[in-house]
Amino acid sequence: QVQLVQSGAEVKKPGSSVKVSCKASGGTFSEFPISWVRQAPGRGLEWMGGIVHMLGRTEYAQKFQDRVTITADEFTTTAYLELSSLRSEDTAVYYCGTTDLQLWFMDVWGQGTTVTVSS
Amino acid sequence: EIVLTQSPGTLSLSPGERGTLSCRASQTVNSDFLAWYQQKPGQAPRLLMYAASRRAAGIPDRFSGSGSGTDFNLTIRKLEPEDFAVYYCQQYGTSPRTFGQGTKVEIK
Repeated sequence: QVQLVQSGAEVKKPGSSVKVSCKASGGTFSEFPISWVRQAPGRGLEWMGGIVHMLGRTEYAQKFQDRVTITADEFTTTAYLELSSLRSEDTAVYYCGTTDLQLWFMDVWGQGTTVTVSS
Repeated sequence: EIVLTQSPGTLSLSPGERGTLSCRASQTVNSDFLAWYQQKPGQAPRLLMYAASRRAAGIPDRFSGSGSGTDFNLTIRKLEPEDFAVYYCQQYGTSPRTFGQGTKVEIK
């Protein structure tokens, strides 16, 4: 079954950008949706968007539409989330998740990447 | 976007009791594509159910899901100590693939 390993914690200044990676091993990388979900401290889960690389399809939640870019590299089997114009409210744990079905729920999760936005 | 409202916000139960969590959608969930997740502090979410009533691999049968359209439930038949956690529903039939705000199941 596919496994997801995310990049390490980041500390960023307000107004800057962050790029988080999610490397997949096992499974067929480009066929299945990979979603990005974040969780601010003490808060619930928030779906940000996702990608199905084989279909060239990317989806974004409207809240993040103008600040987020999700990409994938088939050769390195890695998905990326880039979030720009960071503010303190973006401080959160960012997760990638997927399943080995062509559906948008997640039964495999990365370990999470903590992004801290602070001046 | 489909808004999911979970109730109650907190459910206080004793081990061995039965618990029922509700997830109501603001519009019909396409093909009953509704999932439930369990999350414990410091951990990634864990998939419990998908397609409203299908248990994910390795999930004990004390967990069951039901419902269709706009109203869905997760039932935990006899609470074990490890079941005290936060539970989220997610609809994945329509983009954006939204989550509910969560229900915390705590020890009474």
